[in-house]
Amino acid sequence: GAVVSQHPSWVICKSGTSVKIECRSLDFQATTMFWYRQFPKQSLMLMATSNEGSKATYEQGVEKDKFLINHASLTLSTLTVTSAHPEDSSFYICSARYERGLYEQYFGPGTRLTVT
Amino acid sequence: GENVEQHPSTLSVQEGDSAVIKCTYSDSASNYFPWYKQELGKGPQLIIDIRSNVGEKKDQRIAVTLNKTAKHFSLHITETQPEDSAVYFCAAANYGQNFVFGPGTRLSVLP
Repeated sequence: GAVVSQHPSWVICKSGTSVKIECRSLDFQATTMFWYRQFPKQSLMLMATSNEGSKATYEQGVEKDKFLINHASLTLSTLTVTSAHPEDSSFYICSARYERGLYEQYFGPGTRLTVT
Repeated sequence: GENVEQHPSTLSVQEGDSAVIKCTYSDSASNYFPWYKQELGKGPQLIIDIRSNVGEKKDQRIAVTLNKTAKHFSLHITETQPEDSAVYFCAAANYGQNFVFGPGTRLSVLP
């Protein structure tokens, strides 16, 4: 149980284009989803938190107009990197929590984004 | 805000030996402490967690201990195997708050 998937697992895009990453909870309904960014050999950095049907809450320093998050249903959240630049290249990981108030977060397998 | 430190940053052990990773946290209000294992190119996997009303929790070869007074918690892996080689992250959280992760420990189990 508590399986989270991400699509695509890796993507290469050209500078200036936009790319969308999907995060799905496969066997549970996720009331809250989280998006993290991870640089090589570094820890996970929380970018934003989203609750189904609500606007995402972004961490300080994360540009909300650049990283668009949509949590349209209890099983799907999307992260769109708009006008991507090489410095946006990173490993993006989502996680999901299946009930408000619970602590556990279940992580997806991650998406490797490379911007050329 | 919460700050989590983790030591050591790298750890090499012989297969069959034990490995211990320690984390300290700063916010005494934190009451949930998970440990995640991350293999290369993959997402983190929850391996064990502990809440502040418990001092120790064990799951087969993995155990976690918590000292609330000292504000530190540790991951213990016994009888290590090559497949235990990965990066391990600790985290601290309070009810309704987001996780704060430690910087990670790269564990290598040498055959």
